[in-house]
Amino acid sequence: DIQMTQSPSSLSASVGDRVTITCQASQDINNFLNWYQQKPGKAPKLLIYDASNLETGVPSRFSGSGSGTDFTFTISSLQPEDIATYYCQQYDNLPLTFGGGTKVEIK
Amino acid sequence: EVQLVQSGAEVKKPGESLKISCKGFGYSFTFYWIGWVRQMPGKGLEWMGIIYPGDSDTRYNPSFQGQVTISADKSISTAYLQWSSLKASDTAIYYCARTEFDRYTFDIWGQGTMVSVSS
Repeated sequence: DIQMTQSPSSLSASVGDRVTITCQASQDINNFLNWYQQKPGKAPKLLIYDASNLETGVPSRFSGSGSGTDFTFTISSLQPEDIATYYCQQYDNLPLTFGGGTKVEIK
Repeated sequence: EVQLVQSGAEVKKPGESLKISCKGFGYSFTFYWIGWVRQMPGKGLEWMGIIYPGDSDTRYNPSFQGQVTISADKSISTAYLQWSSLKASDTAIYYCARTEFDRYTFDIWGQGTMVSVSS
């Protein structure tokens, strides 16, 4: 199985801050990586697909980059409604695997 | 509106059987695959398996193979996840989500079904 290592596991930032989350795959996954947002008590929501493509309707402050084994997810200006846990997910190989999640809080 | 609507919360005892459902609305059910994802209390997301409702082709995560059964009835646009003998460790929220074949990118999610197993 491909292991996805996400860091940090949690972070606290101020409104307007730039927030960066990294995801490292245990082997080359090309750009077959998605990012999801899960707000408390809600289902996950797709934000970024194929490592860098913004899902329709998702605010442009969210972005993704990377390929191979190292990926980055960025919120350019943190908003109060961005409080959530963020997960990466690889789909280069079955079984699909998720990162452990990054919980984002407001300072 | 495109949506997946899951069946309601369940409270069961160890050893009991259970089948939960996920019904698709607003799109052609057989154009997409349906995946199931487990989230144990306070934990992350785990992919369990995926099914193509058109012909019931199913792929399982080896970690869940033999522990659950995924099925679908395309005539009523519904996918299912079932257990023959529940364990306390099956306590979790279970999400269904749709994806195009071979993209494995879940763009629409159900609201989740909470399954509680306790004696």
